[in-house]
Amino acid sequence: NAGVTQTPKFRILKIGQSMTLQCTQDMNHNYMYWYRQDPGMGLKLIYYSVGAGITDKGEVPNGYNVSRSTTEDFPLRLELAAPSQTSVYFCASTETTYEQYFGPGTRLTVT
Amino acid sequence: GQNIDQPTEMTATEGAIVQINCTYQTSGFNGLFWYQQHAGEAPTFLSYNVLDGLEEKGRFSSFLSRSKGYSYLLLKELQMKDSASYLCASGAGSYQLTFGKGTKLSVIP
Repeated sequence: NAGVTQTPKFRILKIGQSMTLQCTQDMNHNYMYWYRQDPGMGLKLIYYSVGAGITDKGEVPNGYNVSRSTTEDFPLRLELAAPSQTSVYFCASTETTYEQYFGPGTRLTVT
Repeated sequence: GQNIDQPTEMTATEGAIVQINCTYQTSGFNGLFWYQQHAGEAPTFLSYNVLDGLEEKGRFSSFLSRSKGYSYLLLKELQMKDSASYLCASGAGSYQLTFGKGTKLSVIP
């Protein structure tokens, strides 16, 4: 089991560019989450999904979009990147518990 | 809404015991959870409390008082590898977690 994998590990974007952060889990979990973590801050929930085809906004969804076409994949799309989106992004999954399994993270810099 | 407070930083000596406090104000409480996050790494699950009282898990214990909106994580026999951030989180619907800002623990020799 690879668990939760995220790509890329690092990325530098110019202001106004777009990109997709990939997240895949091989544990057949229905629940998946995207967080961002800024220095010295806790994790903030961006979007989550309770199963294929179902997504919902978290605390900080502005500037992001998600889709969930399969159980395994939950990509996060950034449109028109802004410096405020510089952060570390974590994807997580779980199956009917609060023990969430996190991916290794993507470090994104927008300049 | 959710509001979770915990100290920003703590320092403790190797071999000692340290208590990391967490206070919370939430609507719709589904439990209190602790995660460990080493620098540059992803968070990993440590423990949880749904009912009042103490839950012990090896060198780690967690306590909850729902009436006081208070929890703590107790780490015994501190080791250098325990240097990390400890994140307190409250549970909500769809297994969502709302995290505090985390407490950075430094263990010194």
